[in-house]
Amino acid sequence: SQTIHQWPATLVQPVGSPLSLECTVEGTSNPNLYWYRQAAGRGLQLLFYSVGIGQISSEVPQNLSASRPQDRQFILSSKKLLLSDSGFYLCAWQDRGPNYGYTFGSGTRLTVV
Amino acid sequence: QKEVEQNSGPLSVPEGAIASLNCTYSDRVSQSFFWYRQYSGKSPELIMSIYSNGDKEDGRFTAQLNKASQYVSLLIRDSQPSDSATYLCAVGTNAGKSTFGDGTTLTVKP
Repeated sequence: SQTIHQWPATLVQPVGSPLSLECTVEGTSNPNLYWYRQAAGRGLQLLFYSVGIGQISSEVPQNLSASRPQDRQFILSSKKLLLSDSGFYLCAWQDRGPNYGYTFGSGTRLTVV
Repeated sequence: QKEVEQNSGPLSVPEGAIASLNCTYSDRVSQSFFWYRQYSGKSPELIMSIYSNGDKEDGRFTAQLNKASQYVSLLIRDSQPSDSATYLCAVGTNAGKSTFGDGTTLTVKP
């Protein structure tokens, strides 16, 4: 069966520290992968998406970057966190093609202090 | 104007009632429309997808789409306390990306 794993679940990091969030998908190949961020009480903002290894599209200019070193692995990174980077980070994939909805990972709640 | 707008909420209905959630979108070329349910502190879960005008029913949930009016709605019949959550409307492109509304929080009172 197909599953998506995301870790860590929660993270408290000081301003200026680096960040690495990882997402892996099992049971499928060449999935479209997405990183979204959700601010408190708000909807989801698309940060990055990837249609294949090494192919990353950025939606908003920001302090973050993404990489896809393997087919089913998607990593979100930052060299120096800002207070404004706090939020709920969600990895998602489409299990049936680009016209279908997402399956989300369990999310990482990041607090920058 | 936001690309996807939802009822500001919160919405409160008694148990057993019909809950009606509404969403409008601005991009006329949008092809796919989704409703996600998000419990507090959890990630969103896809509950309905709709692609053509009209109604689509799945159990107690009915999604309605009117592309001419750029309007999508979700009806929840026989609402249960377990339906209490935030409901996110999302509009997709054929490239796979989805734009989300800010969500409507529903409370079903026993």
